[in-house]
Amino acid sequence: NAGVTQTPKFRVLKTGQSMTLLCAQDMNHEYMYWYRQDPGMGLRLIHYSVGEGTTAKGEVPDGYNVSRLKKQNFLLGLESAAPSQTSVYFCASSLRYEQYFGPGTRLTVT
Amino acid sequence: DQQVKQNSPSLSVQEGRISILNCDYTNSMFDYFLWYKKYPAEGPTFLISISSIKDKNEDGRFTVFLNKSAKHLSLHIVPSQPGDSAVYFCAANPKTSYDKVIFGPGTSLSVIP
Repeated sequence: NAGVTQTPKFRVLKTGQSMTLLCAQDMNHEYMYWYRQDPGMGLRLIHYSVGEGTTAKGEVPDGYNVSRLKKQNFLLGLESAAPSQTSVYFCASSLRYEQYFGPGTRLTVT
Repeated sequence: DQQVKQNSPSLSVQEGRISILNCDYTNSMFDYFLWYKKYPAEGPTFLISISSIKDKNEDGRFTVFLNKSAKHLSLHIVPSQPGDSAVYFCAANPKTSYDKVIFGPGTSLSVIP
């Protein structure tokens, strides 16, 4: 089992550009999450999904959109990147409380 | 206002000694608590958890203690090993709300050989 995978691992964007981060899990988990991690802030929830075809806003959803067309995939989109979105992004999935995280995507917006 | 607090950003401990990482929470609806460990350039990994019906849970060298009245939990690592050097996140969930987790800001533990 690969667990939770994320692509890409690194990306540099210019302000105003768009991109999509892909998360895939092979554990048949219903719940999937997107977080961002910034120094001193811990992990902040951007959006999450409780099952295929569902999405919901987390703590910091502005500037991001998500889709979960297939149970195993959860996509995070940035329509118009801003320097404030420079961060490390983690995807996670869970069956219940314990979450399994991907390796992260380091995004820099210049 | 942070609902889950880890007031020590960093902690240094000698190898073989006990490491104690603390976490405080403000929301009395939190019912299930977890600790995650994170190495640089990797995603967090689940370490240990505790339900509010217990006050202690042990797994090898790791023990989590929960004091509900004080809204405080702690993670004890005994004995500490250099490989335990990582950032530790405390997380809290309301009952059966798997998607409502709140993470603390993390404590960076350094175990000195």
